[in-house]
Amino acid sequence: AQSVSQHNHHVILSEAASLELGCNYSYGGTVNLFWYVQYPGQHLQLLLKYFSGDPLVKGIKGFEAEFIKSKFSFNLRKPSVQWSDTAEYFCAVKGGYNKLIFGAGTRLAVHP
Amino acid sequence: DGGITQSPKYLFRKEGQNVTLSCEQNLNHDAMYWYRQDPGQGLRLIYYSQIVNDFQKGDIAEGYSVSREKKESFPLTVTSAQKNPTAFYLCASTLRGGGSTEAFFGQGTRLTVV
Repeated sequence: AQSVSQHNHHVILSEAASLELGCNYSYGGTVNLFWYVQYPGQHLQLLLKYFSGDPLVKGIKGFEAEFIKSKFSFNLRKPSVQWSDTAEYFCAVKGGYNKLIFGAGTRLAVHP
Repeated sequence: DGGITQSPKYLFRKEGQNVTLSCEQNLNHDAMYWYRQDPGQGLRLIYYSQIVNDFQKGDIAEGYSVSREKKESFPLTVTSAQKNPTAFYLCASTLRGGGSTEAFFGQGTRLTVV
């Protein structure tokens, strides 16, 4: 069955700290992978996506993610977080039959 | 402007009543989805549809029903069989495959059972 696991439910960082959010998926076929962000009071928006090619994907606002096929992982990174990155982050996988599955989300709080 | 419109934004339902949440898109997307968002549980897939007149159950379909009579519309009915319907409901759409298949989301409907 297709599923997504996000390891960290809550992360608290100080500004300028580095960020890495874990995401593992289970699906044996070709996948499309996404990271979405939900800022407080706002709707979900796309951070970045992977379909094929270079496994290191760069997104908006300085975020990047690396697809490691052998580990079924798609971890999100940012070298230096800002207070404005405070939000909830969702990893998602799109597999067979166009089924789009999300992880449980990670709440990130960045303190000035 | 293209996008997804969900209505209403807030909905109150009495126990034992069915209610229908509307989702309309003008993006010419083939696939549409309904998710339920609860704190700490992320977005859980209720139903999805790849094409008109076809839809599949997601992970938590019990107590819900959908229809896909038109490409641009994918209404969700929350029936009285749904034991805990109070939640935030999100509708999304994507192209069916190839190209940019990211999902676009509506603003959501917050359903409260009173």
